[in-house]
Amino acid sequence: DADVTQTPRNRITKTGKRIMLECSQTKGHDRMYWYRQDPGLGLRLIYYSFDVKDINKGEISDGYSVSRQAQAKFSLSLESAIPNQTALYFCATSRRTGYGYTFGSGTRLTVV
Amino acid sequence: RKEVEQDPGPFNVPEGATVAFNCTYSNSASQSFFWYRQDCRKEPKLLMSVYSSGNEDGRFTAQLNRASQYISLLIRDSKLSDSATYLCVVNNQAGTALIFGKGTTLSVSS
Repeated sequence: DADVTQTPRNRITKTGKRIMLECSQTKGHDRMYWYRQDPGLGLRLIYYSFDVKDINKGEISDGYSVSRQAQAKFSLSLESAIPNQTALYFCATSRRTGYGYTFGSGTRLTVV
Repeated sequence: RKEVEQDPGPFNVPEGATVAFNCTYSNSASQSFFWYRQDCRKEPKLLMSVYSSGNEDGRFTAQLNRASQYISLLIRDSKLSDSATYLCVVNNQAGTALIFGKGTTLSVSS
């Protein structure tokens, strides 16, 4: 099994729908992150969490919310999806500052 | 200056060539530096960390120049399998997360 698992892998949803992307990890890392990747824009940070009680906004958090249900689980929600949220979403984990990330395989989200 | 800047390429090289990628970063207080590799539509994977003294991993050599806020990646004896996008990564100003460059695309041909 993968160290960082994202579900679903692909999703097509309609404008205005609520959607949740899930991430779970078996690495035992405290730090978890959500990024989105758009062509030409690179990876941009949405939210991050250093433990279950710690949630922090990234550079593009508007329109998104997160939940850290357990050390191993970090979910990203789009309360009312819009077409410009169409992107490739990655969850990542890290041990602590100074260490690199381990990424999940990504969720390709299309909002129509 | 943007936080992390890279030449997007593409770099098109023959097998066996040596190719170098450069990256500049704006946060002079950055302490963590990495190169990631990303294949098309796949997740980024850590290629190597970059240390102040420079470091090498097989055919790959990374260099850091803190004074110029410049990072480089040298790939020797390029293989077809090196074709990918290479992302330059540094930590953000608060030290809480990583900032990714937009990537440099490498295409190695036979």
